[in-house]
Amino acid sequence: QQQVKQSPQSLIVQKGGISIINCAYENTAFDYFPWYQQFPGKGPALLIAIRPDVSEKKEGRFTISFNKSAKQFSLHIMDSQPGDSATYFCAGRGMDSSYKLIFGSGTRLLVRP
Amino acid sequence: DAGVTQSPTHLIKTRGQHVTLRCSPISGHKSVSWYQQVLGQGPQFIFQYYEKEERGRGNFPDRFSARQFPNYSSELNVNALLLGDSALYLCASSLYVGSYGYTFGSGTRLTVV
Repeated sequence: QQQVKQSPQSLIVQKGGISIINCAYENTAFDYFPWYQQFPGKGPALLIAIRPDVSEKKEGRFTISFNKSAKQFSLHIMDSQPGDSATYFCAGRGMDSSYKLIFGSGTRLLVRP
Repeated sequence: DAGVTQSPTHLIKTRGQHVTLRCSPISGHKSVSWYQQVLGQGPQFIFQYYEKEERGRGNFPDRFSARQFPNYSSELNVNALLLGDSALYLCASSLYVGSYGYTFGSGTRLTVV
């Protein structure tokens, strides 16, 4: 069964610090790994994504690092801001006919001013 | 351009009742998928539809059903509601099944009492 495990469950970071969220997946039948940001009362919004043939992707303050051999990937948020306070979900996209997303359990990030 | 539109935004139902949730995808998007997000957890895949055909179904009981209409909008139906069906129901659309970048709506918050 495809699973994505995410840690930590919650994270508190000072403004300007680096937030790091880690995910690991349990089989190789994923072809795309997106990260979503979710604010209370809203649906998840795509933040950044990576394909498994790439080891790192950077977009502004957000970077994904991907280790295919270890089946692990992580999100780094540089210069974290109070506006980044939200719940973050990693996911893997399955390669069956539905291309469904398998989500991690989420990380609640609080950035203190 | 309007994003993914879901209705209603909130709903309270009694155990045993039936509910219909609606989703309008982004204009031009032909694929719609449904996810259930229980409080404090990541979204779980329920259904994927493309060109009015079911392309995938998650591990949910037969009480859950869905359909997609010729204009690519979609309905999710849940029969014989249980307390455990209380959740945020999210609809996501994409250009076609297998395209990158699912866009989620803000969801329908269903409370079963």
